[in-house]
Amino acid sequence: DAGVIQSPRHEVTEMGQEVTLRCKPISGHNSLFWYRQTMMRGLELLIYFNNNVPIDDSGMPEDRFSAKMPNASFSTLKIQPSEPRDSAVYFCASLRQGSSNEQFFGPGTRLTVL
Amino acid sequence: DAKTTQPPSMDCAEGRAANLPCNHSTISGNEYVYWYRQIHSQGPQYIIHGLKNNETNEMASLIITEDRKSSTLILPHATLRDTAVYYCIVNSGGYQKVTFGTGTKLQVIP
Repeated sequence: DAGVIQSPRHEVTEMGQEVTLRCKPISGHNSLFWYRQTMMRGLELLIYFNNNVPIDDSGMPEDRFSAKMPNASFSTLKIQPSEPRDSAVYFCASLRQGSSNEQFFGPGTRLTVL
Repeated sequence: DAKTTQPPSMDCAEGRAANLPCNHSTISGNEYVYWYRQIHSQGPQYIIHGLKNNETNEMASLIITEDRKSSTLILPHATLRDTAVYYCIVNSGGYQKVTFGTGTKLQVIP
Protein backbone atom coordinates (compact mmCIF):
# COMPACT_ATOMS: atom_id res chain seq x y z
CA ASP A 1 0.00 0.00 0.00
CA ALA A 2 1.47 3.34 -1.06
CA GLY A 3 -0.29 5.31 1.63
CA VAL A 4 -1.86 8.70 1.04
CA ILE A 5 -0.26 10.39 -1.95
CA GLN A 6 -0.04 14.15 -2.29
CA SER A 7 1.27 16.25 -5.13
CA PRO A 8 3.15 18.40 -5.60
CA ARG A 9 5.41 18.05 -2.57
CA HIS A 10 6.59 21.62 -2.92
CA GLU A 11 4.97 24.54 -4.70
CA VAL A 12 6.29 28.05 -5.06
CA THR A 13 4.04 30.58 -6.74
CA GLU A 14 3.43 34.27 -6.96
CA MET A 15 0.62 36.14 -5.31
CA GLY A 16 -2.52 36.11 -7.41
CA GLN A 17 -1.82 32.80 -9.11
CA GLU A 18 -4.09 29.79 -8.87
CA VAL A 19 -2.77 26.84 -6.89
CA THR A 20 -4.13 23.30 -7.04
CA LEU A 21 -3.10 20.67 -4.52
CA ARG A 22 -3.89 17.02 -5.15
CA CYS A 23 -4.52 14.03 -2.95
CA LYS A 24 -5.03 10.33 -3.55
CA PRO A 25 -6.39 8.61 -0.45
CA ILE A 26 -5.68 5.03 0.52
CA SER A 27 -7.80 2.60 -1.47
CA GLY A 28 -10.91 1.57 0.44
CA HIS A 29 -10.91 4.61 2.69
CA ASN A 30 -14.18 6.53 2.60
CA SER A 31 -13.32 9.70 4.52
CA LEU A 32 -10.85 12.37 3.43
CA PHE A 33 -9.54 15.41 5.27
CA TRP A 34 -7.60 18.51 4.26
CA TYR A 35 -5.48 20.25 6.92
CA ARG A 36 -3.27 23.32 6.93
CA GLN A 37 -0.31 23.72 9.26
CA THR A 38 1.56 26.91 10.12
CA MET A 39 3.79 27.87 13.00
CA MET A 40 1.30 30.46 14.18
CA ARG A 41 -1.92 28.46 13.98
CA GLY A 42 -0.76 24.87 14.24
CA LEU A 43 -2.68 22.11 12.48
CA GLU A 44 -6.11 23.23 11.31
CA LEU A 45 -8.84 21.14 9.71
CA LEU A 46 -10.08 22.84 6.55
CA ILE A 47 -12.66 20.42 5.21
CA TYR A 48 -13.58 16.78 5.28
CA PHE A 49 -15.47 14.49 2.96
CA ASN A 50 -17.35 11.28 3.62
CA ASN A 51 -18.14 9.05 0.64
CA ASN A 52 -17.04 11.91 -1.65
CA VAL A 53 -19.53 14.33 -0.11
CA PRO A 54 -18.29 17.42 1.77
CA ILE A 55 -19.51 17.12 5.34
CA ASP A 56 -17.97 20.10 7.06
CA ASP A 57 -16.17 22.96 5.35
CA SER A 58 -16.36 25.37 8.26
CA GLY A 59 -12.59 25.42 8.48
CA MET A 60 -12.12 26.76 4.96
CA PRO A 61 -10.71 30.24 5.58
CA GLU A 62 -12.49 32.13 2.80
CA ASP A 63 -14.02 31.91 -0.63
CA ARG A 64 -10.62 31.79 -2.27
CA PHE A 65 -10.38 28.21 -1.05
CA SER A 66 -12.36 25.39 -2.62
CA ALA A 67 -12.13 21.60 -2.44
CA LYS A 68 -13.59 18.84 -4.55
CA MET A 69 -13.72 15.09 -4.45
CA PRO A 70 -15.00 13.88 -7.82
CA ASN A 71 -14.45 10.22 -6.96
CA ALA A 72 -13.25 7.99 -4.15
CA SER A 73 -9.64 8.07 -5.27
CA PHE A 74 -8.98 11.76 -5.87
CA SER A 75 -9.42 15.12 -4.22
CA THR A 76 -8.20 18.64 -4.94
CA LEU A 77 -7.77 21.76 -2.86
CA LYS A 78 -7.68 24.93 -4.91
CA ILE A 79 -6.66 28.43 -3.89
CA GLN A 80 -7.59 31.22 -6.29
CA PRO A 81 -6.16 33.79 -6.08
CA SER A 82 -3.31 32.84 -3.75
CA GLU A 83 -1.89 35.24 -1.17
CA PRO A 84 1.36 35.19 0.84
CA ARG A 85 -0.56 34.37 4.02
CA ASP A 86 -1.61 31.08 2.41
CA SER A 87 1.96 29.86 2.72
CA ALA A 88 1.82 26.69 4.82
CA VAL A 89 2.09 22.93 4.70
CA TYR A 90 -1.13 21.34 3.51
CA PHE A 91 -1.85 17.78 4.59
CA CYS A 92 -4.37 15.33 3.26
CA ALA A 93 -5.52 12.41 5.40
CA SER A 94 -7.91 9.50 4.91
CA LEU A 95 -9.57 6.86 7.01
CA ARG A 96 -11.87 3.92 6.67
CA GLN A 97 -14.90 4.27 8.86
CA GLY A 98 -15.72 1.28 11.01
CA SER A 99 -12.09 0.36 11.60
CA SER A 100 -10.04 1.94 14.37
CA ASN A 101 -10.90 5.32 12.83
CA GLU A 102 -7.26 6.27 12.71
CA GLN A 103 -6.36 8.89 10.16
CA PHE A 104 -3.53 8.20 7.75
CA PHE A 105 -1.74 11.36 6.71
CA GLY A 106 0.08 12.10 3.50
CA PRO A 107 3.54 13.69 3.37
CA GLY A 108 2.10 17.15 2.82
CA THR A 109 2.54 19.90 0.24
CA ARG A 110 4.71 22.83 1.26
CA LEU A 111 3.23 25.92 -0.38
CA THR A 112 5.10 29.19 -0.62
CA VAL A 113 3.32 32.21 -2.06
CA LEU A 114 5.65 35.07 -2.87
CA ASP B 1 -15.47 17.70 20.84
CA ALA B 2 -13.88 18.04 24.26
CA LYS B 3 -10.75 20.12 24.55
CA THR B 4 -7.47 18.74 25.83
CA THR B 5 -4.62 20.25 27.80
CA GLN B 6 -1.04 19.07 27.42
CA PRO B 7 2.29 20.42 28.68
CA PRO B 8 4.05 22.29 25.88
CA SER B 9 7.31 20.38 26.20
CA MET B 10 9.05 17.51 27.97
CA ASP B 11 12.48 15.92 27.99
CA CYS B 12 13.23 12.24 28.41
CA ALA B 13 16.50 10.35 28.60
CA GLU B 14 17.09 7.80 25.89
CA GLY B 15 16.12 4.31 27.05
CA ARG B 16 13.87 5.56 29.80
CA ALA B 17 10.08 5.57 29.78
CA ALA B 18 8.43 8.72 28.48
CA ASN B 19 5.14 9.53 30.21
CA LEU B 20 3.08 12.15 28.40
CA PRO B 21 0.03 13.45 30.28
CA CYS B 22 -3.19 14.80 28.86
CA ASN B 23 -6.10 16.41 30.62
CA HIS B 24 -9.57 16.08 29.09
CA SER B 25 -11.85 16.91 31.99
CA THR B 26 -14.86 17.68 29.79
CA ILE B 27 -14.79 14.40 27.89
CA SER B 28 -18.21 12.88 27.30
CA GLY B 29 -19.18 9.24 27.59
CA ASN B 30 -18.96 8.41 23.90
CA GLU B 31 -15.65 10.12 23.21
CA TYR B 32 -12.45 8.21 22.64
CA VAL B 33 -8.94 9.38 23.48
CA TYR B 34 -6.58 9.31 20.49
CA TRP B 35 -2.86 9.97 20.39
CA TYR B 36 -0.91 11.03 17.31
CA ARG B 37 2.64 12.22 16.89
CA GLN B 38 4.33 14.39 14.30
CA ILE B 39 7.99 14.01 13.57
CA HIS B 40 9.52 17.15 12.12
CA SER B 41 8.17 18.03 8.66
CA GLN B 42 6.22 14.76 8.33
CA GLY B 43 2.48 14.17 8.49
CA PRO B 44 1.00 13.18 11.86
CA GLN B 45 1.10 9.48 12.67
CA TYR B 46 -1.52 7.57 14.65
CA ILE B 47 -0.20 5.92 17.82
CA ILE B 48 -3.06 4.50 19.88
CA HIS B 49 -6.58 5.15 21.10
CA GLY B 50 -8.92 4.00 23.86
CA LEU B 51 -12.31 4.54 25.44
CA LYS B 52 -12.00 3.63 29.10
CA ASN B 53 -9.75 0.60 29.35
CA ASN B 54 -5.99 0.79 29.21
CA GLU B 55 -4.58 -0.10 25.83
CA THR B 56 -1.21 -1.33 24.59
CA ASN B 57 0.23 -1.84 21.15
CA GLU B 58 3.66 -2.18 19.63
CA MET B 59 4.30 1.54 19.88
CA ALA B 60 2.96 2.61 23.25
CA SER B 61 0.59 2.13 26.17
CA LEU B 62 -2.37 4.31 27.00
CA ILE B 63 -3.51 4.67 30.58
CA ILE B 64 -6.91 6.29 31.12
CA THR B 65 -8.02 7.27 34.60
CA GLU B 66 -11.18 5.72 35.97
CA ASP B 67 -13.09 9.02 35.72
CA ARG B 68 -11.70 9.41 32.16
CA LYS B 69 -10.73 13.00 32.82
CA SER B 70 -7.09 12.41 32.05
CA SER B 71 -4.78 9.96 30.36
CA THR B 72 -1.10 9.18 29.98
CA LEU B 73 0.72 7.96 26.92
CA ILE B 74 3.70 5.80 27.80
CA LEU B 75 6.61 5.12 25.48
CA PRO B 76 8.34 2.35 27.46
CA HIS B 77 11.87 2.77 26.12
CA ALA B 78 12.25 6.12 24.39
CA THR B 79 14.69 6.40 21.50
CA LEU B 80 16.01 9.43 19.68
CA ARG B 81 13.54 8.67 16.88
CA ASP B 82 10.69 9.29 19.31
CA THR B 83 11.53 13.00 19.39
CA ALA B 84 8.34 14.57 18.05
CA VAL B 85 5.24 16.58 18.90
CA TYR B 86 2.62 14.38 20.54
CA TYR B 87 -1.06 15.28 20.20
CA CYS B 88 -3.83 14.07 22.49
CA ILE B 89 -7.29 14.29 20.96
CA VAL B 90 -10.76 13.33 22.14
CA ASN B 91 -13.34 12.45 19.56
CA SER B 92 -16.61 10.63 19.33
CA GLY B 93 -15.69 8.77 16.19
CA GLY B 94 -18.21 8.77 13.40
CA TYR B 95 -16.93 11.25 10.86
CA GLN B 96 -14.08 11.87 13.28
CA LYS B 97 -13.69 15.57 12.90
CA VAL B 98 -10.69 16.13 15.10
CA THR B 99 -9.11 19.24 16.47
CA PHE B 100 -5.37 19.11 16.98
CA GLY B 101 -4.19 21.35 19.81
CA THR B 102 -0.61 22.47 20.31
CA GLY B 103 0.56 19.11 21.63
CA THR B 104 3.63 18.24 23.70
CA LYS B 105 7.05 18.54 22.14
CA LEU B 106 9.01 15.56 23.43
CA GLN B 107 12.78 15.79 23.23
CA VAL B 108 14.62 12.51 23.80
CA ILE B 109 18.11 13.22 25.08
CA PRO B 110 21.06 10.89 24.46
